[in-house]
Amino acid sequence: NAGVTQTPKFQVLKTGQSMTLQCAQDMNHEYMSWYRQDPGMGLRLIHYSVGAGITDQGEVPNGYNVSRSTTEDFPLRLLSAAPSQTSVYFCASRRGLAGGSSYNEQFFGPGTRLTVL
Amino acid sequence: AQSVTQLGSHVSVSEGALVLLRCNYSSSVPPYLFWYVQYPNQGLQLLLKYTSAATLVKGINGFEAEFKKSETSFHLTKPSAHMSDAAEYFCAVTAISGGYNKLIFGAGTRLAVHP
Repeated sequence: NAGVTQTPKFQVLKTGQSMTLQCAQDMNHEYMSWYRQDPGMGLRLIHYSVGAGITDQGEVPNGYNVSRSTTEDFPLRLLSAAPSQTSVYFCASRRGLAGGSSYNEQFFGPGTRLTVL
Repeated sequence: AQSVTQLGSHVSVSEGALVLLRCNYSSSVPPYLFWYVQYPNQGLQLLLKYTSAATLVKGINGFEAEFKKSETSFHLTKPSAHMSDAAEYFCAVTAISGGYNKLIFGAGTRLAVHP
């Protein structure tokens, strides 16, 4: 298994540009999430999905869109990039709650380092 | 609302010394607690987790953590630091929101190990 993969690894954008960060997982996980990591703030949840066709907002959703058309893929779209979106972005996935489990281990991708000028 | 506080954004120890990384949580319901490690330019890797079984939890690479409900703490320890332990460590707690268990992360503690 490749696990959780993210592309690109690095990206530089100009203010106002749009782009899509790609995320894919090959573990047949129901749940997928996007986080951003900023110094001194840990990881903050942007958007998440509990299955194909189902998405919801996290703590910091403004300026980002997501969709989930397949179990495997969960792209994150920046509509009009701003310098405040300079960050490292992590995608994560985990199994759902079947079998009475209240929480399953979350697996993280290697991250995308985004700079907005 | 759940929250996590990690005391000390930077911790420095000598190789072979005890590692102690502090984590305090706030939760209105019995929590699930986690420690993740992030090596430079990599994603997060699960070190260990507490899910209401044994209060002393052993993880990978010789780390362990003890859940203390009375102190609302989940400190991470390792008896003898190794140079390869240098990384950033994140404590996290689950938070149920709309039926989905979210992970709430602390700000992180960067561990430096010197010879």
